[in-house]
Amino acid sequence: DTEVTQTPKHLVMGMTNKKSLKCEQHMGHRAMYWYKQKAKKPPELMFVYSYEKLSINESVPSRFSPECPNSSLLNLHLHALQPEDSALYLCASSQEGLAGAYNEQFFGPGTRLTVL
Amino acid sequence: SQQGEEDPQALSIQEGENATMNCSYKTSINNLQWYRQNSGRGLVHLILIRSNEREKHSGRLRVTLDTSKKSSSLLITASRAADTASYFCATVLNTGGFKTIFGAGTRLFVKA
Repeated sequence: DTEVTQTPKHLVMGMTNKKSLKCEQHMGHRAMYWYKQKAKKPPELMFVYSYEKLSINESVPSRFSPECPNSSLLNLHLHALQPEDSALYLCASSQEGLAGAYNEQFFGPGTRLTVL
Repeated sequence: SQQGEEDPQALSIQEGENATMNCSYKTSINNLQWYRQNSGRGLVHLILIRSNEREKHSGRLRVTLDTSKKSSSLLITASRAADTASYFCATVLNTGGFKTIFGAGTRLFVKA
């Protein structure tokens, strides 16, 4: 299985809602990532988990809360979002390579989030 | 600014022609990767080239890396309409954790 799955595909939420994005991989990868991508822009790294521990948090607002319950699952909990948070949220995973540097990343199809 | 900058921002060619995209970066890297993204979809990894490599091939793709100039290029030969997509370079920085930064991307349009 060389697939990263993400649910839901689309999500519309109000600014007072709480929702979660889910990501799953069964490739045995120990690094997992969340990216945010606005239209016609490159993906921007939000969080990196390595061996289920948060290793990078790119100064993301606390209304985004990541969670890695086990080596196959990655969640992104959303609360009190703003309309400018509307974007494509991408999950990815990779093996750790030599000296800890990450190899190629496998991406899920993304969740298209709209905040009203 | 982003670590990886790409040019051109957009490229329109006829089917059968070659397409070349360039990427420049600012700091030393462990490896450089190229990804492809069809509209609104996830990214697909194309090629990874390590800092001690100068050239790599995969099918119709050829990637070069010049660490002295901090630049890389992606060449797609004999392009097809199905190659229409956005192409991103990505570099990995060691900032205490390994951080991937994507370039701005080149939007390629191949006309049939």
